[in-house]
Amino acid sequence: SAVISQKPSRDICQRGTSLTIQCQVDSQVTMMFWYRQQPGQSLTLIATANQGSEATYESGFVIDKFPISRPNLTFSTLTVSNMSPEDSSIYLCSVGTVSGELFFGEGSRLTVL
Amino acid sequence: QKEVEQNSGPLSVPEGAIASLNCTYSDRGSQSFFWYRQYSGKSPELIMFIYSNGDKEDGRFTAQLNKASQYVSLLIRDSQPSDSATYLCAAEGGYNQGGKLIFGQGTELSVKP
Repeated sequence: SAVISQKPSRDICQRGTSLTIQCQVDSQVTMMFWYRQQPGQSLTLIATANQGSEATYESGFVIDKFPISRPNLTFSTLTVSNMSPEDSSIYLCSVGTVSGELFFGEGSRLTVL
Repeated sequence: QKEVEQNSGPLSVPEGAIASLNCTYSDRGSQSFFWYRQYSGKSPELIMFIYSNGDKEDGRFTAQLNKASQYVSLLIRDSQPSDSATYLCAAEGGYNQGGKLIFGQGTELSVKP
């Protein structure tokens, strides 16, 4: 499976600021996704990162709050904008295979004060 | 709304016993199902997936799928303390939803020495 690197691995941010999380994959992948895991909760899909076009967002997530870029087949960024304490979560980059398997990066643990 | 349901646990089993983890799903269009293991503070790692009715074995792990009952399970034989983790069941998001998984809330497993 591909090696998926995320950074930062963790950060503490102030309310009202924005943070960009980077995801780098060691090989070209077609399907790339961003998930969120809130404390004690399961994983929720934020959006599908589409190469060269706008991301496809799931219900409850909007581009203004979570802008996503995917300039090529190995890299994507997720920005969490105008953060509030409710955004404290682990954000996970993932890549999918043609057989439907999903592999995750190490995650970025975000704490908003 | 597509849902995947799991008992949150914790499920406690003695070392050497069989741990049985269960999951139900609501979307009959889902074709593939996945089991992930997540250690505390780590990202989920894929254990195995199943898409045909019946059993699929991989080492100490056996996944079982019953599409008629919309039921998936994971059996862990000869449980070890190192198996203590949260186990996440996930279902493919349905037809033409390639790579998008819907996760259950996870079952916490504790294997006692």
